[in-house]
Amino acid sequence: GAGVSQSPSNKVTEKGKDVELRCDPISGHTALYWYRQSLGQGLEFLIYFQGNSAPDKSGLPSDRFSAERTGGSVSTLTIQRTQQEDSAVYLCASSLERGLNTEAFFGQGTRLTVV
Amino acid sequence: KNEVEQSPQNLTAQEGEFITINCSYSVGISALHWLQQHPGGGIVSLFMLSSGKKKHGRLIATINIQEKHSSLHITASHPRDSAVYICAVRGYGQNFVFGPGTRLSVLP
Repeated sequence: GAGVSQSPSNKVTEKGKDVELRCDPISGHTALYWYRQSLGQGLEFLIYFQGNSAPDKSGLPSDRFSAERTGGSVSTLTIQRTQQEDSAVYLCASSLERGLNTEAFFGQGTRLTVV
Repeated sequence: KNEVEQSPQNLTAQEGEFITINCSYSVGISALHWLQQHPGGGIVSLFMLSSGKKKHGRLIATINIQEKHSSLHITASHPRDSAVYICAVRGYGQNFVFGPGTRLSVLP
């Protein structure tokens, strides 16, 4: 597609269940970022992938959070044993390369609600 | 002190007014983005700046690297401009640091 695509757009899940969020970056983009925005809060960095390098996981809030990027393209963010505080909009962005002055493109986000 | 600050936090304007949103940052950056987030949550990248000024339609963005400051201007504002505007800086570590956002409401 022409832009960064995220699915699902909305997800309601019960506390304790696992969820998977998907991000399809723009074709050819080697850098991929996950962020989240809790209600009334700013955007918070979660994880960053660049090509075949080890991802920067420094933003993941707990070991219940993990992410993979298969084949250098699609990424999946997994949240295990969801908690109510995980409710947020999860945003994915991609950019052409890990270089200076490289524009990033954002997906529409997945709104996760844990009940 | 937050690394990226924006002002004002909230802004209400009448249709047609000229609007300015400011962003100040304290870290060295490689680029600065202005983002627009609509009520549904989707984010659109408006500008990426590393120096000078850019213009796109009614939107103008400027950056002063020495002063670590950027401004987003909207001329002839319209109700459809109502959104949250977010300043995001990209440091030399390549990650983004986001400002808290400015909520703009343009009244008809």
